[in-house]
Amino acid sequence: SAVISQKPSRDICQRGTSLTIQCQVDSQVTMMFWYRQQPGQSLTLIATANQGSEATYESGFVIDKFPISRPNLTFSTLTVSNMSPEDSSIYLCSVKGQGGETQYFGPGTRLLVL
Amino acid sequence: AQSVTQLGSHVSVSEGALVLLRCNYSSSVPPYLFWYVQYPNQGLQLLLKYTTGATLVKGINGFEAEFKKSETSFHLTKPSAHMSDAAEYFCAVWGGTSYGKLTFGQGTILTVHP
Repeated sequence: SAVISQKPSRDICQRGTSLTIQCQVDSQVTMMFWYRQQPGQSLTLIATANQGSEATYESGFVIDKFPISRPNLTFSTLTVSNMSPEDSSIYLCSVKGQGGETQYFGPGTRLLVL
Repeated sequence: AQSVTQLGSHVSVSEGALVLLRCNYSSSVPPYLFWYVQYPNQGLQLLLKYTTGATLVKGINGFEAEFKKSETSFHLTKPSAHMSDAAEYFCAVWGGTSYGKLTFGQGTILTVHP
């Protein structure tokens, strides 16, 4: 399995500001995923980030709001832009294991927007 | 298209009792199925998975699940609940393609009473 770390682990932000979340993996992976888990809800895929190409966003998520960078095979960032209280969620980074069928998750970033 | 339904958003059992968390799925292709556990203030941890082969799969912490194609189910069980099992459990399905995404159920919160 992959070991995934995220920074920050939690943050409290003011509306209108932006926060960049970092995801670091201990091995090289092709595909990285960003999920959102709103309070009391399940996980929703925001986008898939492949190294060397533009991220692919799911319906309801746009690049202007959630820009993603993927500079190399072990690192990605997700920015939550122009935040509002509705963005208060847990944001999780995920990667696929070597077998290609299992996704492993980071510990998450707990974001509260006031 | 694929979807997951977890029956029961909350399940409460006594310590030592049987744990049964229900998951039904729909998938247009043979599915890969997963159970994840999320402890408070933590990320998701893989409990077990079904890809191919034996339909009864064993996971960590004494959990197991049985893939029943005729019932489109993948229920999670544990013979004897422990206080440390209290967490939220997510069932997920993947269609098995490179670009197919992991789809999660709504989650079931398991409470274990002394």
